[in-house]
Amino acid sequence: QSVLTQPPSVSGAPGQRVTISCTGSSSNIGAGSDVHWYQQLPGTAPKAVIYGNTNRPSGVPDRFSGSKSGTSASLVITGLQAEDEADYHCQSYDRSLSGWVFGGGTKLTVL
Amino acid sequence: QVHLVQPGAEVRTPGASVKVSCKASGYTFSDYYIHWVRQAPGEGLEWLGWINPNSAVTNYAQKFQGRVTMTRDTSIGTAYVELSRLRSDDTAIYYCARDPSQIWQLVSGSFDYWGQGTLITVSS
Repeated sequence: QSVLTQPPSVSGAPGQRVTISCTGSSSNIGAGSDVHWYQQLPGTAPKAVIYGNTNRPSGVPDRFSGSKSGTSASLVITGLQAEDEADYHCQSYDRSLSGWVFGGGTKLTVL
Repeated sequence: QVHLVQPGAEVRTPGASVKVSCKASGYTFSDYYIHWVRQAPGEGLEWLGWINPNSAVTNYAQKFQGRVTMTRDTSIGTAYVELSRLRSDDTAIYYCARDPSQIWQLVSGSFDYWGQGTLITVSS
């Protein structure tokens, strides 16, 4: 049972836009903790695509964007490409647990 | 370029301990926090804790306190995580990851570079 809740899967056709949600609580996202997002291709280590709610690391396409509101955050991918097919994980700091927590991960399928 | 290199795999029996290494290169090892994160087969990510390589100060996830120990050897730029009293549900890939904040800043908790992971299998 993950502290942050993500949908198990989402899908979209090439060129479309998809949104992956991450729902937390007043102990983490709702408390103002930053949200970070990671992309994990099969058999590889995760890679940051969004940090600090809305910031893209160098080299990440601007098709990836992040937002946060209340106790939730979202990762939006526009102009979907086959190479975006991966698992996506959200992360935030939980004040009750005094540590960082993750969502269960969302599998993105490009149709 | 920054690299974090980990061994490929280890096998342990229940009740044993395991120590995983993470050798850093391409930057000043003592200047950045190192975190440890694990991922059980088919599951999500789980944070174990961080170490300040300069001071050796650590911060562990509540779930692992008493069972995890993070250390470092600055002479060889390597961080370690040791997990004791292993159980079958400790079977997972263990990753080290660098925090982009430098040690004179607050830990950000995001990870800009990751090791390739070490598969730890706990089985009798």
